[in-house]
Amino acid sequence: SQTIHQWPATLVQPVGSPLSLECTVEGTSNPNLYWYRQAAGRGLQLLFYSVGIGQISSEVPQNLSASRPQDRQFILSSKKLLLSDSGFYLCAWRDNSPLHFGNGTRLTVT
Amino acid sequence: AQSVAQPEDQVNVAEGNPLTVKCTYSVSGNPYLFWYVQYPNRGLQFLLKYITGDNLVKGSYGFEAEFNKSQTSFHLKKPSALVSDSALYFCAVRDDTGGFKTIFGAGTRLFVKA
Repeated sequence: SQTIHQWPATLVQPVGSPLSLECTVEGTSNPNLYWYRQAAGRGLQLLFYSVGIGQISSEVPQNLSASRPQDRQFILSSKKLLLSDSGFYLCAWRDNSPLHFGNGTRLTVT
Repeated sequence: AQSVAQPEDQVNVAEGNPLTVKCTYSVSGNPYLFWYVQYPNRGLQFLLKYITGDNLVKGSYGFEAEFNKSQTSFHLKKPSALVSDSALYFCAVRDDTGGFKTIFGAGTRLFVKA
């Protein structure tokens, strides 16, 4: 069966520090991969999606970037974090219809 | 552009009573609609989907949803609420214009009181 791993679960980082969040999917090949951010326990904002290795589409201009170095690996990065980057980051994959989510990373920028 | 709206921030219901969480949608073309549930500090879990076929869709944990094309609605229902149903519920629509993006509503918090 397919599983999705997302780490770390929580992260506290100072303003101006770099960020790297990793997501991997097992049990499927060539999935569509997504990064969402959820602010204040509410709506989800789509940040990036990828339909294949090295193919990244950005939905909103921001301080973040994404990369897909391998088929089932999706990385969210920042060179310098801002306070406004705080939130709950969710990785998801899809091979057919519904999305399947990881358990998320709660990022607090101090 | 595809969009969904959840008009209620919060729904309160007593345990054992029926519940409804509302969702309306706006799409160009055929709608692909979903409901997800989120428990605290967790990712979203898929409940059910409407692609085509019967207007009443049955999903996980006793939930169902009614698709109404004329009213562009896709309301989530359950005949008898449980305290454990208390969570954040999201309606979503799939946008097939590129990357098969899924667009989420703002979410509705459901409180079931014992």
